[in-house]
Amino acid sequence: EPEVTQTPSHQVTQMGQEVILRCVPISNHLYFYWYRQILGQKVEFLVSFYNNEISEKSEIFDDQFSVERPDGSNFTLKIRSTKLEDSAMYFCASSLDGSNYGYTFGSGTRLTVV
Amino acid sequence: AQRVTQPEKLLSVFKGAPVELKCNYSYSGSPELFWYVQYSRQRLQLLLRHISRESIKGFTADLNKGETSFHLKKPFAQEEDSAMYYCALSYRAGTYKYIFGTGTRLKVLA
Repeated sequence: EPEVTQTPSHQVTQMGQEVILRCVPISNHLYFYWYRQILGQKVEFLVSFYNNEISEKSEIFDDQFSVERPDGSNFTLKIRSTKLEDSAMYFCASSLDGSNYGYTFGSGTRLTVV
Repeated sequence: AQRVTQPEKLLSVFKGAPVELKCNYSYSGSPELFWYVQYSRQRLQLLLRHISRESIKGFTADLNKGETSFHLKKPFAQEEDSAMYYCALSYRAGTYKYIFGTGTRLKVLA
């Protein structure tokens, strides 16, 4: 079964540092997403990406965040200057056609900001 | 506004006992509802979706529009069912997005 792959599984960074979280979506999928889960809280939508541009973003996704598809396989989330409250599990997801059929989540990257 | 509520943070049952994980939703349109499961340190896995009406790993869920509920049930819990369970609602505003509940941790005791 195809999978969405995320690396690293756990990242520790110092406050104020830039961090890049990486995702490899399912190869024929066209829509990509990032979600965030702060410990003990629900999973929240951050951003969706299609055709090399952001299609939607939540209010959480402020100027500190950016996404990029630097090549044909990777999809990255960059946090420019991390804050303690950015500590969370970040899930990447992809879907084939923007519908919820085949919408697949990765295993997540746990980001710890110290 | 769209909302998914899972009132129980933790549910402990004995092996062989019935399980019901509660989920209520608020959505003005026709909802598409899902249950996801997250085993320890693993990915969110789709357990079932209401439109397919499948039974996966013995779990079932029925959408009750009158009560705006989508409770997850299993008649006989097994130890390997211990995990975090998330109810989610998918809606289209532009692209499809998911709203998740806060999750219920199910612990099945031997």
